[in-house]
Amino acid sequence: KAGVTQTPRYLIKTRGQQVTLSCSPISGHRSVSWYQQTPGQGLQFLFEYFSETQRNKGNFPGRFSGRQFSNSRSEMNVSTLELGDSALYLCASSITGNSGEKLFFGSGTQLSVL
Amino acid sequence: AQSVAQPEDQVNVAEGNPLTVKCTYSVSGNPYLFWYVQYPNRGLQFLLKYITGDNLVKGSYGFEAEFNKSQTSFHLKKPSALVSDSALYFCAVRDPRGDDKIIFGKGTRLHILP
Repeated sequence: KAGVTQTPRYLIKTRGQQVTLSCSPISGHRSVSWYQQTPGQGLQFLFEYFSETQRNKGNFPGRFSGRQFSNSRSEMNVSTLELGDSALYLCASSITGNSGEKLFFGSGTQLSVL
Repeated sequence: AQSVAQPEDQVNVAEGNPLTVKCTYSVSGNPYLFWYVQYPNRGLQFLLKYITGDNLVKGSYGFEAEFNKSQTSFHLKKPSALVSDSALYFCAVRDPRGDDKIIFGKGTRLHILP
C-alpha cells in the first residue's frame, strides 16, 4: 500500500506570491492534517480535514487555508507569502482522525520564500 | 491551554547505554500521548502511544515510555541504544475532551555515539 504522498518535494517562491501544496493520503484514510516544521518552532498544527470538512484549526493567520476533496486528497494554500513562511510542510493521514489514532506522515514539501 | 515540553534540545548517549528522552505535558483532562521519530530527509514515523491502561507502553524498535500522571511526564526510553537510533524525536499530546488539537514538542535530537 502506498504511503502518504506530498507534491512538490521542493518549492521556491518570492514574497507576495501564493503557493499550493498537495497531499494524497493512504488509500482508505479519510482524515488529513497539515503541519509546519521549522527549526525554531518545531512542529505546529495547521488544520485537519475529515470527509471534506475542516474539523480543527491551529493558530495560523487566514493566509493559510486548505481543503479536502471527495477522494480524500487535500491541498493547502498560502497566500501573500512572507519570509517567515519558509518551512517544511508535512501532511499526515489517518483512517478516521480519531484522537487516539496514529498518524502516517508524508516526506513533506520544503518551501523557501525569497 | 494544553502544552508539551521537551526540555533537552539534544541528548548524547554512547552506543549500548540506556537512553531517555524527556517529555512533560500540561492538559486539563486525561491526555493522549504520543512519540514520533524523524530520520534525516524523511517524514515522521509513529513510535508508540498512551491512551489508557498500563502506564508502561512498548513501541517500535525496542522503545518504551512510561506515563506518570503525578509528574505529568511521558519519557521515552530504550535499554540499549543503537547508532541507528540517532534521529529527531517528537512528543505530542491531545486532549480528546478539550479542543482535541494535537500539540507537538519542539523535538529532541538524539545522537548515539559509536
